[in-house]
Parts: sequence; C-alpha cells; structure tokens
Amino acid sequence: GAGVSQSPSNKVTEKGKDVELRCDPISGHTALYWYRQSLGQGLEFLIYFQGNSAPDKSGLPSDRFSAERTGGSVSTLTIQRTQQEDSAVYLCASSLEYGGGYEQYFGPGTRLTVT
Amino acid sequence: GENVEQHPSTLSVQEGDSAVIKCTYSDSASNYFPWYKQELGKRPQLIIDIRSNVGEKKDQRIAVTLNKTAKHFSLHITETQPEDSAVYFCAATPPYSGGGADGLTFGKGTHLIIQP
Repeated sequence: GAGVSQSPSNKVTEKGKDVELRCDPISGHTALYWYRQSLGQGLEFLIYFQGNSAPDKSGLPSDRFSAERTGGSVSTLTIQRTQQEDSAVYLCASSLEYGGGYEQYFGPGTRLTVT
Repeated sequence: GENVEQHPSTLSVQEGDSAVIKCTYSDSASNYFPWYKQELGKRPQLIIDIRSNVGEKKDQRIAVTLNKTAKHFSLHITETQPEDSAVYFCAATPPYSGGGADGLTFGKGTHLIIQP
C-alpha cells in the first residue's frame, strides 16, 4: 500500500513568511509524529498525535510552530514568521498505534529553506 | 526526559569486516530500542529493533544487543557490503505515559563508510 507522503518536497521561503507543511500518514495509522532534521544532525522530536489529539506540545521549538490533525488522517505543521534557523528537513512518521514498540514509518520529508 | 548518546559519529571499515555502533540512554523506563538506516537524501527506515525483555536479536547480518543494567545497546553489522554505507540512528522510547512528549529520542547518528 501507499506509504507516508509529505508535501511539498521542497519549500523556499523568505524570512518572516508563514509556511504550511502537510503529512498524509499510512491509512489506518492512528499515531502521527513530526520530527525536524537539521543538516548533518539527528532527528529532533517535535510533536505527536494520537487520533486528532496532541497531548503535549512542549517539543515544539517556539510558539511560532503549531500543528493540527483532522479526521484522524492528514496533519499540517505550520510555522509562522519563519526564521533562518527554521531551515531543516521536516519529517513526518506514522504508526499503527501509539506507544513504544510500534514501528514508525517515515515520509520523504519536506526540505525547508528560509532565505 | 530521555537522552540518547551515540558513538562513533563516523565509522569507516573495510568491506567484509564488522561494524559496531553503540548507544547509551538515560531513562531506565525506556523499553523499546529501534535502529534506523538513512541513505543520503532518503527517509529513515527501520532495520531492526529490540524490546527490553530481550537481550539480543539477530536478522541475517545485523544484530542488536541490549544491556538494561548498563543502559546501553549496540548494533552489529557483519560481513559489511557497500550498500551498508549510510547514516545509522539509534533511538529509545519509554512506555506510553499518556501525557508526555513520547516520540522517539534519537541519537545523533553514525555515518558508516564501507571502504572497497
């Protein structure tokens, strides 16, 4: 079946603009995760959803970041007033259920460049 | 929260030799330890995982060992091949807490280079 998809694959934006990143998880996966990967760095956990609910938003880097998920499926990560330090690859992953032990399947990522 | 340290950051081995990557974690409650492989420009993909009730798991040329007492786990690749060249990430996660930021906590990655 189809894997996790993300759009756009690349986004170049000017500093101060808002951007919206989209994630389509694997059908039937109840858990969805957002990560950020800076150049040559590891994966930084941002937020997760169980269904449409995000129990803890403390992983988001600042209040310019927000995320939502509707219908238990598609999720969007919004970055307001983008800064150059927001440049990174944003990865989405989904798993069948939430919790340790369920394999997370990653999407191809959105490469965000803030100029 | 959980903290995962991964070593080395770069590992170069001759084709056919073995490679070992080590990780330590801080949260004794963590019970799931996956390893992901990320080829250049591609998404991370799970290659093997281990749960805290198991000390070792093997899948063909890949094995993972876990020492819960010492809070460390390792990835072992035998008979390395050119296609093993990639960045490898270890990760740890505690049991579902129902309220915490419970994604996976990743190590910073190891760039494995297989020399022909």
